[in-house]
Amino acid sequence: SYVLTQPPSVSVAPGQTARITCGGNNIGSKSVHWYQQKPGQAPVLVVYDDSDRPSGIPERFSGSNSGNTATLTISRVEAGDEADYYCQVWDSSSAVFGGGTKLTVL
Amino acid sequence: QVQLVESGGGLVKPGGSLRLSCAASGFTFSDYYMSWIRQAPGKGLEWVSYISSSGSTIYYADSVKGRFTISRDNAKNSLYLQMNSLRAEDTAVYYCARVLGSPDENWFDPWGQGTLVTVSS
Repeated sequence: SYVLTQPPSVSVAPGQTARITCGGNNIGSKSVHWYQQKPGQAPVLVVYDDSDRPSGIPERFSGSNSGNTATLTISRVEAGDEADYYCQVWDSSSAVFGGGTKLTVL
Repeated sequence: QVQLVESGGGLVKPGGSLRLSCAASGFTFSDYYMSWIRQAPGKGLEWVSYISSSGSTIYYADSVKGRFTISRDNAKNSLYLQMNSLRAEDTAVYYCARVLGSPDENWFDPWGQGTLVTVSS
């Protein structure tokens, strides 16, 4: 089965740029989606189709995907961005999630 | 606005059964594929099942295949998950989510608030 690998944690100071990676075999050939989950809340879609943003999601959130790595980039990080982030793809009639990355805003 | 509300969670003994429901509003339910996704306490997200708009196409994760059954009633704008032969490892918050995008490129938006299922003796 297809495996997505995320770093368990990423830390960044306010105002800086956070980059969260999602590794998978030839993931560049797949469409990658990203979710934000704050404690006690349901996940929220922040990026779909590698780099598109749903309405209401700030432009600070962007995505890219190439080769074996997809990346969620959060510019000008704010305290409110502190959350768990999950990548997701579809493979062989199954949705696959990465293990999640906890973003800490220092 | 688009809203999904799950219900039916609770405490059940190993080997028992439970039926989850998800009430949809704010969109034409019969036009969309739907899915169940779960999250064990303190763990990541795990996709459970997926059903097409008409109910004719259904997929399951290997971990629940043969024990869980997804279904929908488009007249009632409702999605269901019948869970049988429950195990301790099925303990999780269960979310329903609307499926968007092309086949093999699907994503989930929005998600319901979730319902907690606890399997314990």
